[in-house]
Amino acid sequence: LAKTTQPISMDSYEGQEVNITCSHNNIATNDYITWYQQFPSQGPRFIIQGYKTKVTNEVASLFIPADRKSSTLSLPRVSLSDTAVYYCLVGDQPSGNTPLVFGKGTRLSVIA
Amino acid sequence: EPEVTQTPSHQVTQMGQEVILRCVPISNHLYFYWYRQILGQKVEFLVSFYNNEISEKSEIFDDQFSVERPDGSNFTLKIRSTKLEDSAMYFCASTPGTSGGEGETQYFGPGTRLLVL
Repeated sequence: LAKTTQPISMDSYEGQEVNITCSHNNIATNDYITWYQQFPSQGPRFIIQGYKTKVTNEVASLFIPADRKSSTLSLPRVSLSDTAVYYCLVGDQPSGNTPLVFGKGTRLSVIA
Repeated sequence: EPEVTQTPSHQVTQMGQEVILRCVPISNHLYFYWYRQILGQKVEFLVSFYNNEISEKSEIFDDQFSVERPDGSNFTLKIRSTKLEDSAMYFCASTPGTSGGEGETQYFGPGTRLLVL
């Protein structure tokens, strides 16, 4: 599994766009990039997954450059309820029947 | 929206006692998992289960742990003789398994907070 590096923490004001970047220099050809969100005392929740270019859903956007050595999770206009830990996971079909390997994630604090 | 449920939400036990954590995965999902998260630490994989047998397990999942799917809906994690270091949040997860795993999301339950005294 490719090693990932992401900031330990970030702060943002409500209404701002938040971009969390994850580095994964050793990503393999078959690897997908997946982001999970975890609120305190809750289980992780899938946010978005991509392989290349840009993916967008109702929650977030995921930007992946051509070399795929990094990815950026973009949360538009965050609110207080977006305060959580965000995990970047990289691996071969990481959201399938393969065990997920979580790092320490990025703790996002949204301030009013 | 269907969701994974877990009971109990909290469990306090004495060291050396047996505990059983229960999970009801999403109906018609085929792959099941247990993870744990010690307070302030990473979420760690314990075991995966498919077709009534263990698919994969981590080093954490030693002889003190066992999993079972006793009926068509429940999926349990048993810790035979709890230790202080077993105190953690335990999360159950499931995936449909219908597309061979590619791109499938793992759906997590709310967790059981286990405290071993």
